[in-house]
Amino acid sequence: DAKTTQPPSMDCAEGRAANLPCNHSTISGNEYVYWYRQIHSQGPQYIIHGLKNNETNEMASLIITEDRKSSTLILPHATLRDTAVYYCIVRGTGTASKLTFGTGTRLQVTL
Amino acid sequence: NAGVMQNPRHLVRRRGQEARLRCSPMKGHSHVYWYRQLPEEGLKFMVYLQKENIIDESGMPKERFSAEFPKEGPSILRIQQVVRGDSAAYFCASSPTAGSGGTEAFFGQGTRLTVV
Repeated sequence: DAKTTQPPSMDCAEGRAANLPCNHSTISGNEYVYWYRQIHSQGPQYIIHGLKNNETNEMASLIITEDRKSSTLILPHATLRDTAVYYCIVRGTGTASKLTFGTGTRLQVTL
Repeated sequence: NAGVMQNPRHLVRRRGQEARLRCSPMKGHSHVYWYRQLPEEGLKFMVYLQKENIIDESGMPKERFSAEFPKEGPSILRIQQVVRGDSAAYFCASSPTAGSGGTEAFFGQGTRLTVV
């Protein structure tokens, strides 16, 4: 079972920041938080991941709370092409390194 | 560096036939994960393989499904005697390590299997 909880859907106006929350209260010390998205029925696209520090790349920023029990994915300037299902995943290592997908958040970006 | 390559992209099989799905991981990646996505449903883990070894097959159906990742060549997901319920999108992901140090896992574009 997925170790994360996300809202089922969110809306965002184009050009505004999209902030997608995720709860992972049972995360272990060596587990990372990963974010992926799936546009239509394409293959999931890697976005970003982090352990305990905030991370930023060309796609997004990831803010992880100090207690690591929750995180927020930020798309700074959402576009229509960012409409997708976003998955927050807690990933272990070794034999626990599989990515377990929950139901995700369906982000709808509108004009 | 080419991404994860899956072929064929679309596969049609009659009931009772065999389906073979291939996944070529990214260069330097020795860990492969297979997932199935039924229509209008989420991605479900099937099996995790490292070169020549099955690490976790907890999501594989007990019958008709098998997977391998030989020393040379792509990973193969094999479905024998397909039934209509096997119609789905099958995705594979590859990773350079088993997640240690927080390495990325990248997905292919999937194989859409249709059983008629």
